[in-house]
Amino acid sequence: GQSLEQPSEVTAVEGAIVQINCTYQTSGFYGLSWYQQHDGGAPTFLSYNALDGLEETGRFSSFLSRSDSYGYLLLQELQMKDSASYFCAVIYNQGGKLIFGQGTELSVKP
Amino acid sequence: NAGVTQTPKFQVLKTGQSMTLQCAQDMNHNSMYWYRQDPGMGLRLIYYSASEGTTDKGEVPNGYNVSRLNKREFSLRLESAAPSQTSVYFCASSEVFQGSNQPQHFGDGTRLSIL
Repeated sequence: GQSLEQPSEVTAVEGAIVQINCTYQTSGFYGLSWYQQHDGGAPTFLSYNALDGLEETGRFSSFLSRSDSYGYLLLQELQMKDSASYFCAVIYNQGGKLIFGQGTELSVKP
Repeated sequence: NAGVTQTPKFQVLKTGQSMTLQCAQDMNHNSMYWYRQDPGMGLRLIYYSASEGTTDKGEVPNGYNVSRLNKREFSLRLESAAPSQTSVYFCASSEVFQGSNQPQHFGDGTRLSIL
């Protein structure tokens, strides 16, 4: 079967750095994406890695190691508005189908 | 600046009733998707359409049918609703995946309760 594993909850304080890990086991792999979801609303795209290494977009960075089937999302200079659920998702076929992890709920405390 | 529009936003059905969830996108995307999200879980793909006139099953297609009416619209139909189909349904669209990133753009969801 196909599966993605990520922590269910993470808590951090404002201004800190937090890392959300994701390990995956899928039938195919074309890339790892991260999505953010506030309060059950529309998920929004954050980042994408197809090759090993670090991708940086402002305060957010994402890392991928294909040999370890592992990636992470790094959030720096945490703000209260970063409190949300974060989902890793693997593109597993040529049609662009995604399989999502169960999500990590991030709580940012003052 | 509509993006992906889903209707209705909320719906309550009785077991056995049928209904169609509507989705339209104005970004000229070729690919469209239907997901369901249950409490504390990620999104699970129900059906997707890589282009107008084509549809394919996802992880959890049983109990659902879809229609890709045209490039803009992709509907999801529950023929005989069951309590297990109580969920939040999200529609998404993207450009065709060609080995590089094509992020999916999501609608605000339809909250469906089946009694």
